[in-house]
Amino acid sequence: QKEVEQNSGPLSVPEGAIASLNCTYSDRGSQSFFWYRQYSGKSPELIMFIYSNGDKEDGRFTAQLNKASQYVSLLIRDSQPSDSATYLCAVNSMDSSYKLIFGSGTRLLVRP
Amino acid sequence: GAGVSQSPSNKVTEKGKDVELRCDPISGHTALYWYRQSLGQGLEFLIYFQGNSAPDKSGLPSDRFSAERTGGSVSTLTIQRTQQEDSAVYLCASSLEAENEQFFGPGTRLTVL
Repeated sequence: QKEVEQNSGPLSVPEGAIASLNCTYSDRGSQSFFWYRQYSGKSPELIMFIYSNGDKEDGRFTAQLNKASQYVSLLIRDSQPSDSATYLCAVNSMDSSYKLIFGSGTRLLVRP
Repeated sequence: GAGVSQSPSNKVTEKGKDVELRCDPISGHTALYWYRQSLGQGLEFLIYFQGNSAPDKSGLPSDRFSAERTGGSVSTLTIQRTQQEDSAVYLCASSLEAENEQFFGPGTRLTVL
């Protein structure tokens, strides 16, 4: 069983819509959760992090964490074609808190 | 510099040769990490440095891989006797302290012919 699971997509949404990206993790002791955006041929770029249950908003992005369900999500409001990228969910390891375990990513396509 | 830098950006080598990849972290960041991303795959943790020490080398795939960090800053990842399966993008990241947010460099794309 993969430690961090994401739907590979592609998730296709029209411009202006809300894109919802989901991630589940297996390590119940994980405390830190990150979302990275990766454009094709580029390196991952940190866009959100969340440590506590609930929602955290930053501009058009909202991260949601539910530790009981071992579930973290990223909502992108008013999606733009420039948001088209692969979104990587990363979770820290319970045994080694500095070590990030990455999902394989969800590819998002925002149609103009 | 403003961000993590890596060099070279691309490296093509022949099977059996040794290669060195360099990472210059964000100034003041004490923690440094190396990851590998193969085509269509997720990021694979290789090694973590806190200062000049590497308390976790558990992700290094074989003893052909080694890394060092000097002066609490620049790090070098060395791959000896490269194999075709070593072809990947090697990414370096740094964070202010361990457990903080990690910021990635642009990566080195390694191709072993």
